[in-house]
Amino acid sequence: DTAVSQTPKYLVTQMGNDKSIKCEQNLGHDTMYWYKQDSKKFLKIMFSYNNKELIINETVPNRFSPKSPDKAHLNLHINSLELGDSAVYFCASSQKTSGRAYEQYFGPGTRLTVT
Amino acid sequence: AQSVTQLDSHVSVSEGTPVLLRCNYSSSYSPSLFWYVQHPNKGLQLLLKYTSAATLVKGINGFEAEFKKSETSFHLTKPSAHMSDAAEYFCVVSAPNFGNEKLTFGTGTRLTIIP
Repeated sequence: DTAVSQTPKYLVTQMGNDKSIKCEQNLGHDTMYWYKQDSKKFLKIMFSYNNKELIINETVPNRFSPKSPDKAHLNLHINSLELGDSAVYFCASSQKTSGRAYEQYFGPGTRLTVT
Repeated sequence: AQSVTQLDSHVSVSEGTPVLLRCNYSSSYSPSLFWYVQHPNKGLQLLLKYTSAATLVKGINGFEAEFKKSETSFHLTKPSAHMSDAAEYFCVVSAPNFGNEKLTFGTGTRLTIIP
């Protein structure tokens, strides 16, 4: 009964390839996110979707394209992978309410290694 | 604009002694503040959150944090460290972003527990 799940957990691929990471949440939340954690553990938001609508799109190369088929799923597709894309990618979800403090629930992460 | 500074990249304490992880924030708005913990090769888990109610916030595993507006601080404490507390800790500030919440993470503090 994992709340936020990601697949795959590990992904090793060569430069130039295209790959996808999938995320699913069963918390009934309406907002989902993708974060990138670099080798120094720094976490930065990439995208956020609310009810399948893109609401946050940070400065991310066009090679990264999120897709939300429904509010329980947010996938991340990466084209033409580069060495610098190697990182751990975290999916998260939260429920937008009229109050504040939308705590986010994180998935276990996908470690992407580009060789 | 918002930012968060974790003043120590690495803290070491002996088992059974108090823990103090320091965090200062900056926000143009009344912020929400969080502490997350990341154990090795795991996702992020919410420890506690500040929601503008009580300034002293209690979280899981005996951790607590005090919001001090005058000092723009939100330090994390625990009276007695346990070996299982060894992990990376992230202080996070959240502020409105055109009707949506956006989290900004600190750079993390690695907590080491000495037996």
